[in-house]
Amino acid sequence: NAGVTQTPKFQVLKTGQSMTLQCAQDMNHNSMYWYRQDPGMGLRLIYYSASEGTTDKGEVPNGYNVSRLNKREFSLRLESAAPSQTSVYFCASSEDISSYNEQFFGPGTRLTVL
Amino acid sequence: DAKTTQPPSMDCAEGRAANLPCNHSTISGNEYVYWYRQIHSQGPQYIIHGLKNNETNEMASLIITEDRKSSTLILPHATLRDTAVYYCIVGPYNQGGKLIFGQGTELSVKP
Repeated sequence: NAGVTQTPKFQVLKTGQSMTLQCAQDMNHNSMYWYRQDPGMGLRLIYYSASEGTTDKGEVPNGYNVSRLNKREFSLRLESAAPSQTSVYFCASSEDISSYNEQFFGPGTRLTVL
Repeated sequence: DAKTTQPPSMDCAEGRAANLPCNHSTISGNEYVYWYRQIHSQGPQYIIHGLKNNETNEMASLIITEDRKSSTLILPHATLRDTAVYYCIVGPYNQGGKLIFGQGTELSVKP
């Protein structure tokens, strides 16, 4: 059981480049989430997917798009990266959106935008 | 969602109990208290949650005051591996996913 996996672990982009962060979970969870964490700060929710086929905005969705590819996978896309998007990105999953909220987190992707 | 207030940092001696306080004076009736921790550079890890009764699991105990305006997370015998940032979060049971992480308490367990 790998839990929540994220790829890549590290990425450096130039301003204006695009990329997709991948996330997969093997716990048969219905709900998945993307967060970002800036240095010295708590996590902020970017987007979430309550179930396969649905996505909703979180606290800081601007500049991002998401795709819930299937029940296992939830990707985050930066269409035109900006230095303000330099951050650590965490993916998480939970049994469902109305459960007691135990979220399982991946190891993170460290993104630097120059 | 109710906001929380935590001290920015605390120290604890190895083997002693670590008591981490959290104020949530604007908590509403359907909101739970959740605790997560984040060990350096890793993703957060769920610890425990509760509504109004005290809760205990293999990791920690959660003590919620009768008026629910504050709570304390207790790590009964802290080890060096418990050094982490601890986040106290409040949120409704039926609005899963919208966890609002504050800045947490950085706990340093010292030998």
